[in-house]
Amino acid sequence: DGGITQSPKYLFRKEGQNVTLSCEQNLNHDAMYWYRQDPGQGLRLIYYSQIVNDFQKGDIAEGYSVSREKKESFPLTVTSAQKNPTAFYLCASTERDRKIQPQHFGDGTRLSIL
Amino acid sequence: GNSVTQMEGPVTLSEEAFLTINCTYTATGYPSLFWYVQYPGEGLQLLLKATKADDKGSNKGFEATYRKETTSFHLEKGSVQVSDSAVYFCALRRSNTGNQFYFGTGTSLTVIP
Repeated sequence: DGGITQSPKYLFRKEGQNVTLSCEQNLNHDAMYWYRQDPGQGLRLIYYSQIVNDFQKGDIAEGYSVSREKKESFPLTVTSAQKNPTAFYLCASTERDRKIQPQHFGDGTRLSIL
Repeated sequence: GNSVTQMEGPVTLSEEAFLTINCTYTATGYPSLFWYVQYPGEGLQLLLKATKADDKGSNKGFEATYRKETTSFHLEKGSVQVSDSAVYFCALRRSNTGNQFYFGTGTSLTVIP
């Protein structure tokens, strides 16, 4: 079955450390997204990519970085510049330029500070 | 601009009660509209969608009708179950370009036996 795989499910970060969250999809989607969700809150867009080797900042990109070297993969790095990284991170994908298509989501990665 | 406004929760209902979660939107043109459900510790799952005015999306007993005249997409279910306890998100996708989605803040539903 096609879908989105996020790993790891739980991740712990030490002070001053960068950590990378993995997102892989086998849906053949061009567009991929990273969201942050805080407890009891909605989704906030961190970065999105509409095609390989291109990505745009979302509403809360500071302290995060991404790459899009392959269509299937869109890893998110939480850098030490992100002072409050504890949150639930969701990756999503969709077909590009087809507004009738929904986003598909992974199961999320929960990041905590040690 | 584009935005989605959902009724604030939390909502608590008894089993077999009628559910309505209000959603209104602001968007230019003719967006597609979606309802997603999120169970604790999981990602969002698509519940239903509607892609043009007067369309009705339905799934698992849930329904929502795309009302352009009132810019609304309210979620309804005639008889909720304990297993429907989750957070529900309304969302829109504005156009065939831009590829951005706009989400409401989510409404938490708890169904008690």
